[in-house]
Amino acid sequence: DQQVKQNSPSLSVQEGRISILNCDYTNSMFDYFLWYKKYPAEGPTFLISISSIKDKNEDGRFTVFLNKSAKHLSLHIVPSQPGDSAVYFCAASDSGTYKYIFGTGTRLKVLA
Amino acid sequence: GAVVSQHPSWVICKSGTSVKIECRSLDFQATTMFWYRQFPKQSLMLMATSNEGSKATYEQGVEKDKFLINHASLTLSTLTVTSAHPEDSSFYICSALHHNKDTQYFGPGTRLTVL
Repeated sequence: DQQVKQNSPSLSVQEGRISILNCDYTNSMFDYFLWYKKYPAEGPTFLISISSIKDKNEDGRFTVFLNKSAKHLSLHIVPSQPGDSAVYFCAASDSGTYKYIFGTGTRLKVLA
Repeated sequence: GAVVSQHPSWVICKSGTSVKIECRSLDFQATTMFWYRQFPKQSLMLMATSNEGSKATYEQGVEKDKFLINHASLTLSTLTVTSAHPEDSSFYICSALHHNKDTQYFGPGTRLTVL
C-alpha cells in the first residue's frame, strides 16, 4: 500500500517558468512533510519542509503548499532553472516516529 | 550545516562475503540514524532505524541477521551486509536525524554490487 504517491513520474518545464510538483498521501497521522531533490547515484538533498499546522512555507524560489483536507501537498519552484533538473521526492512522517515514507519521485527537466 | 558522509561510496564484493558501510554525521550529533535502500527507478525504502546505544529497529521484511546495524557513537552508524548475494546489490543510503531541525539529512549513498 503506497501511503505517499507522486502520480507524475516526469515533468518538463521551460526555464523561467513555474514548476509544480504534486504529492498525495493517505495516512492522516502524517503531520510533517518534506521535499528532497536527488541526482542519480547521490543521496537526497533536503529542500523544504512543512508542518501540518501550516498550509504554506516559502524558502527562496521554493514554496510548499499543504492541503490537509485533500491530503495533498505541492512544491512550486519559481523561476525554474536548468540546475533544478533532478528527481524530486516528497516524504511524509508522523513526527512522533521521525520515520519518513517517500513517494516514488518525479523527474523534473528544466529546458533552457 | 548538516553534513552526513558515507563510506565507501561504492563497493564490489564476491557472493558470500560481508560488507560494512559507515555513516557519519560530521557536524552534528545524531542519536537516531536511518538506513534505506533504493532499487533503480524506485523510491527509497526504509530498512531500519538505528538508535545510539540500543538495538536497531527493523522494518517489516528486513532480515536483522542479514543487515547488522551498530550505532556505537553519536556520530557513527554502520550497516553490515552479511553473506552478501547478488540480490543484495543496491544503492544503500543512510540519514541522520538532526533533532534541532526535526529533519533527516542524507549521506551520498553507497553502491553495492555483489558478483
